Amino acid sequence: KQEVTQIPAALSVPEGENLVLNCSFTDSAIYNLQWFRQDPGKGLTSLLLIQSSQREQTSGRLNASLDKSSGRSTLYIAASQPGDSATYLCAVIGNRGSTLGRLYFGRGTQLTVWP
Amino acid sequence: EPEVTQTPSHQVTQMGQEVILRCVPISNHLYFYWYRQILGQKVEFLVSFYNNEISEKSEIFDDQFSVERPDGSNFTLKIRSTKLEDSAMYFCANARGAYTEAFFGQGTRLTVV
Repeated sequence: KQEVTQIPAALSVPEGENLVLNCSFTDSAIYNLQWFRQDPGKGLTSLLLIQSSQREQTSGRLNASLDKSSGRSTLYIAASQPGDSATYLCAVIGNRGSTLGRLYFGRGTQLTVWP
Repeated sequence: EPEVTQTPSHQVTQMGQEVILRCVPISNHLYFYWYRQILGQKVEFLVSFYNNEISEKSEIFDDQFSVERPDGSNFTLKIRSTKLEDSAMYFCANARGAYTEAFFGQGTRLTVV
């Protein structure tokens, strides 16, 4: 069964810092990996999707990398801002017998960016 | 970003009552999912639905749960007889293809008392 782990569980940084969030998964047979943002009591906002054949994906100040063989992904946030404060979730879709896009989630990294 | 709309945003129900959670999907996104998140825990998969039938369901999705698209548009999750442990945030998700980007609604917070 696919297990997704995110480190650290929580992170508190001053505004302007560059930071890295880590995600690992136990079964490297994934189809793609998706990063989400979740604000308290709210839904999940899709940030980036990386296909298994890709190594990297960028959107604005966000850059996500994927090393499928080692079961790892990182989300890099450049020049962090207080508005980036949220929980960041990593989720994978497997391709080993799973059907139609079931996502396996990590517990998330709770990020606080203070002014 | 495409938007999935869920109603209600919050529902309080008595144990044993039936609840129906509703989702308005994105146009031309034909893959549907329900997930739930118990407070402080991971987001968990419940069920996937495509072409008017369930594709996959988790062990959580027992006989008390059902899904349907009653009017070919809205997507619903029904819990027949709610239990205290059903209290959670329920998310509807929608995708254009089976392995494409998934978009989530804002969630329905279900509280069973």
